[in-house]
This record gives sequence, C-alpha cells and structure tokens, in this order.
Amino acid sequence: LAKTTQPISMDSYEGQEVNITCSHNNIATNDYITWYQQFPSQGPRFIIQGYKTKVTNEVASLFIPADRKSSTLSLPRVSLSDTAVYYCLVGVDYKLSFGAGTTVTVRA
Amino acid sequence: DGGITQSPKYLFRKEGQNVTLSCEQNLNHDAMYWYRQDPGQGLRLIYYSQIVNDFQKGDIAEGYSVSREKKESFPLTVTSAQKNPTAFYLCASSPSGAVAKNIQYFGAGTRLSVL
Repeated sequence: LAKTTQPISMDSYEGQEVNITCSHNNIATNDYITWYQQFPSQGPRFIIQGYKTKVTNEVASLFIPADRKSSTLSLPRVSLSDTAVYYCLVGVDYKLSFGAGTTVTVRA
Repeated sequence: DGGITQSPKYLFRKEGQNVTLSCEQNLNHDAMYWYRQDPGQGLRLIYYSQIVNDFQKGDIAEGYSVSREKKESFPLTVTSAQKNPTAFYLCASSPSGAVAKNIQYFGAGTRLSVL
C-alpha cells in the first residue's frame, strides 16, 4: 500500500477555501485516491475519489497532477460544521490505511 | 433507510469477560470491516470479510474474533485475551467492485470501556 503524508492540522476561517495536500510518492498505477471526513465520535464519511486530473462533487474538489505523486482536497467556503479530521487514502484494496489524518479547525 | 447499524452504543467489559459488538447492514454489500480507533489516532483494521463464511485478519487481530454467517451481519467479539480493549470500534461495509471497495460506509460506532 502506498504511504501517504498529510499535515497534522490546519486552521481556517468561515467562508475561506481550505486546501489539504497529501503526498503519495510511491503510488501504484492502479491506485485510486480517496478522501474521508470524520467528526468526533462518528464514523468516517466518504467525500471524494479520483484517479487523475480533477474531480468535483457537491462537497469538494480533488486535484491530482499528472505525476499523481500528490493530491489536493479543496473545500470551498468552509463553515464551522466543516471542522473535522480529513483522511487521504491511496490504493485499491480491502486493507486501506487510515493514518492520523488532518485536523481542520474552522473558526468564526 | 439503508445503512450500517452498530449496537450497543456504549459497552462496559469486566476483567476476564468476552463481549460481542453487533454490526448489521442492509446495503447488500459483500464486504464488511471492523476498525479500532484510539483517542487522537487514525483507524486500525481488525478484521475484514470479502464474502459470507470468509474473513481475514487485519493489522491488529490478536484478542479479537469475528464470524460472517450472513451477508448482513459481522459481529466482533472482544475476548479476555485483549488486554487493552478500551477504544472506539467502527464497523463498515463496501461493495466488492475493483474501485468501489474503497468507498466504505461506516456505522456510528461502539465505545467500549473496561470496568
């Protein structure tokens, strides 16, 4: 499984755009990049998944450069309710690795 | 409503006792998973099952056991051999397609404490 590196924490303010970059230098050809969001005392929730270029849904955008060695999750105009832990996962496997994630704190 | 149901929400274990955590899904998913989460940390995989009557150990299977007799159900037993069971336990399920299995649906979790 490809190892991922993402910042431990990020602070932002309401209405701003938050970008979380995940490094995955040893990503394999068949690997997909998947992001989850977790609120305290709840299970993680799938946000977005991509293979290359850009993917957008109603919640977020995922940018993946041509070399696929990193990816950036973009959360547009965050609100207080976006305060959560965000996990970047790489692979196509039953055994996905949820690291420590990035704790995003949105302030008023 | 489709989803994953975990019960109980809170559970207390006495010394030397085995306890069983329930997980039921009505999403018609083939694959099911159990994770453990300790405070401030990510999720660690305990066991997973790709299909009925089959399951594999994850990264931290020692002291735990599972069964998969029905597609909808994947109970986890925390045995007395697990010396540090206090944690938040999460059950998940996913379709079994090549990419779809990355998209896991999680239950609300069971918080286990030791008395």
